[in-house]
Amino acid sequence: KQEVTQIPAALSVPEGENLVLNCSFTDSAIYNLQWFRQDPGKGLTSLLLIQSSQREQTSGRLNASLDKSSGRSTLYIAASQPGDSATYLCAVRWRNYGQNFVFGPGTRLSVLP
Amino acid sequence: NAGVTQTPKFRILKIGQSMTLQCTQDMNHNYMYWYRQDPGMGLKLIYYSVGAGITDKGEVPNGYNVSRSTTEDFPLRLELAAPSQTSVYFCASSYSGEISPLHFGNGTRLTVT
Repeated sequence: KQEVTQIPAALSVPEGENLVLNCSFTDSAIYNLQWFRQDPGKGLTSLLLIQSSQREQTSGRLNASLDKSSGRSTLYIAASQPGDSATYLCAVRWRNYGQNFVFGPGTRLSVLP
Repeated sequence: NAGVTQTPKFRILKIGQSMTLQCTQDMNHNYMYWYRQDPGMGLKLIYYSVGAGITDKGEVPNGYNVSRSTTEDFPLRLELAAPSQTSVYFCASSYSGEISPLHFGNGTRLTVT
């Protein structure tokens, strides 16, 4: 069974710090990996999508990297702000695993002013 | 741009009652999905559709039914509500299956008592 894990489950940092969120997945035969942000009581907002042929994607202060061989992705947030406080989820779509994105349980981030 | 719209936002059901969760998207996406999210868990796929008239089971389909008569709409039916179906339900869509990002609605919070 394909699985996605995220460590840590929760993280608190002071405003202005750079931080890294981790996502690990079983099996390197993926189509792509997507990072989402979820605010309390809200839906998921897509942040970055990395295709299997790519090593990284950037959007503003966010940078996501992908290392298929080690089954890992990281989401780097530069100069964190209180508005970045949310739960961050990664989701993986594998080849030969149907149409399912498998989601990790998320990392709950708190950026303290 | 409405994106993915879900109704209702909240619902309380008694055990054994039935209801339909509505989902519509205006992005002309072929693929649509229903996920459920339980506290502390990742999202689990219930059903998905790759186009009008085509649906298939996901990871946790028991107790649910779907239909896809149009490209825009993908309703989820609960026939005999059970407490185990208490959850937050998210509808999502994507243009194609393998390489396109997922776009989510804001969710329906369902309580079965």
